[in-house]
Amino acid sequence: DTEVTQTPKHLVMGMTNKKSLKCEQHMGHRAMYWYKQKAKKPPELMFVYSYEKLSINESVPSRFSPECPNSSLLNLHLHALQPEDSALYLCASSQPGANVLTFGAGSRLTVL
Amino acid sequence: AQSVAQPEDQVNVAEGNPLTVKCTYSVSGNPYLFWYVQYPNRGLQFLLKYITGDNLVKGSYGFEAEFNKSQTSFHLKKPSALVSDSALYFCAVRPDSNYQLIWGAGTKLIIKP
Repeated sequence: DTEVTQTPKHLVMGMTNKKSLKCEQHMGHRAMYWYKQKAKKPPELMFVYSYEKLSINESVPSRFSPECPNSSLLNLHLHALQPEDSALYLCASSQPGANVLTFGAGSRLTVL
Repeated sequence: AQSVAQPEDQVNVAEGNPLTVKCTYSVSGNPYLFWYVQYPNRGLQFLLKYITGDNLVKGSYGFEAEFNKSQTSFHLKKPSALVSDSALYFCAVRPDSNYQLIWGAGTKLIIKP
């Protein structure tokens, strides 16, 4: 299995809702990443987990809360988001220190 | 500041012609260099990388890239473009093994039949 699976593909939420994005990989990768991407822009790193521990938080607002329950799963919990948070959220995985990222297809989030 | 530049927002090429997508970088040391491609409404896919060795790197889908240390460039090339190559291409640089990727702004490649 050489894929990173993200669910849901599309999510529409109000500013008071609580929702979660999910990411799963079965490649044995021990580093997992959340990126945010606006249309036609490069991805922006949000969080990195290495061996299930949060290693990088790129000063992301607390309304985004990551969770890594085990080596195969990565969640992003969303609460009280703003319309400007609407974007494509990409999950990626790699071996720690490795150079190549494997990306999922993304979850497109719309905040109303 | 360390940076990656993709000087062209868009590149237009006729099908069958060679294509080049440009990337230059300003990073200290010996960086690792990458190209990723993004098709519409999809995640990014790895195309190729340069870490060390031969300056000409071959990757997926017939793409190749040439590393030029003196010009700090890593241009993506393909001898004969296909309409299906139309996508958004990102150059990325990793300053060393302890840094995260620095991404270029992206270049939209349009291949016309």
